[in-house]
Amino acid sequence: GAGVSQSPRYKVAKRGQDVALRCDPISGHVSLFWYQQALGQGPEFLTYFQNEAQLDKSGLPSDRFFAERPEGSVSTLKIQRTQQEDSAVYLCASSSWGGNTEAFFGQGTRLTVV
Amino acid sequence: QKEVEQNSGPLSVPEGAIASLNCTYSDRGSQSFFWYRQYSGKSPELIMFIYSNGDKEDGRFTAQLNKASQYVSLLIRDSQPSDSATYLCAASMNGNKLVFGAGTILRVKS
Repeated sequence: GAGVSQSPRYKVAKRGQDVALRCDPISGHVSLFWYQQALGQGPEFLTYFQNEAQLDKSGLPSDRFFAERPEGSVSTLKIQRTQQEDSAVYLCASSSWGGNTEAFFGQGTRLTVV
Repeated sequence: QKEVEQNSGPLSVPEGAIASLNCTYSDRGSQSFFWYRQYSGKSPELIMFIYSNGDKEDGRFTAQLNKASQYVSLLIRDSQPSDSATYLCAASMNGNKLVFGAGTILRVKS
């Protein structure tokens, strides 16, 4: 597609429920990133994939968070047993190979845990 | 100390003026620097990136980088009300991730 696509755009989950957020990156982009953005803050890094390999997951806040990109294209961020503090916008970004290339963001998924 | 620091603002400038947005970073290993614009309720949109010391111009926007001072800035000439948004500065060390500041709110008054 022309841009990074994320779904759903909005998700309301009851506390304790599991959720799955999808990211479809720009075609051909090797690198894929997940970020979490709380209200009034900049995006915080969660995890990074290069093709299907998860090279950095240092930003995942707990073992309830899990991300995968099995075929090196679409990625899923899963949050188990959601808590209220998980409420945020989850942004996916992709970029082509190279250390100085820019990342393009999707529209994000706004997760609200009630 | 956060790795990337920005003044939260709001920075208010009159229409047609130059808006100057500033950012400092703590990790000297940072190689590339990015400015994103984010409208309320929208995702960040890339404006410019810079990785060499000096100035880089693109239309009304100029990014400036001073690695010795660990300082990055964005100048917006002829500011328009449509430029009103939050501007995010980000640093990348090896392309693996971006470290963002909290953003500066810019308000351009007509």
